[in-house]
Amino acid sequence: AQSVTQLGSHVSVSEGALVLLRCNYSSSVPPYLFWYVQYPNQGLQLLLKYTSAATLVKGINGFEAEFKKSETSFHLTKPSAHMSDAAEYFCAVSDSSYDKVIFGPGTSLSVIP
Amino acid sequence: EPEVTQTPSHQVTQMGQEVILRCVPISNHLYFYWYRQILGQKVEFLVSFYNNEISEKSEIFDDQFSVERPDGSNFTLKIRSTKLEDSAMYFCASSAQGARNEQFFGPGTRLTVL
Repeated sequence: AQSVTQLGSHVSVSEGALVLLRCNYSSSVPPYLFWYVQYPNQGLQLLLKYTSAATLVKGINGFEAEFKKSETSFHLTKPSAHMSDAAEYFCAVSDSSYDKVIFGPGTSLSVIP
Repeated sequence: EPEVTQTPSHQVTQMGQEVILRCVPISNHLYFYWYRQILGQKVEFLVSFYNNEISEKSEIFDDQFSVERPDGSNFTLKIRSTKLEDSAMYFCASSAQGARNEQFFGPGTRLTVL
């Protein structure tokens, strides 16, 4: 069975500082991995996805994530946090059936001015 | 840019009542999904739908739930007799043929069961 864990339910960073949100997955088959962002009172927006091409994936708003099979990780990073990055971030995994996406518990990112 | 829409944004109902949550997926998408997020918890898969039938459903999706694509544009989730524990945010999603792994989510409907 597939699963996702996200270390840290809440992360605070200063504006301009590095953002690092951790995600580890469990999958018996090659996974497809995603990061979604949820701004307050809004839906889920896809930030980026890994689908077995390049291991370093670039997404929207300056975010990127690196797939590391040996560590079963897919951590999300952004070099310099902006106030507008404050949101809930969900790591998710899917398999080749595509019939469902399994979400992690989410990490709430706060950006301190 | 095309987007998934959902109505209503907030639905309040009494326990035992039927509710229908509505979604309009992106027009050329063929795969449709419902997820829910209980307050403070993670997003959970409920059901996937393709070619007018359910592809997969979770253990949450019991006989109280049903889905339907009544016409060419709407995709609905019906809860026949709501329970307090059905209170949650319900997200609809859709994906395209050849890009099924990229699911586009709607803004959600917040269901409150009193």
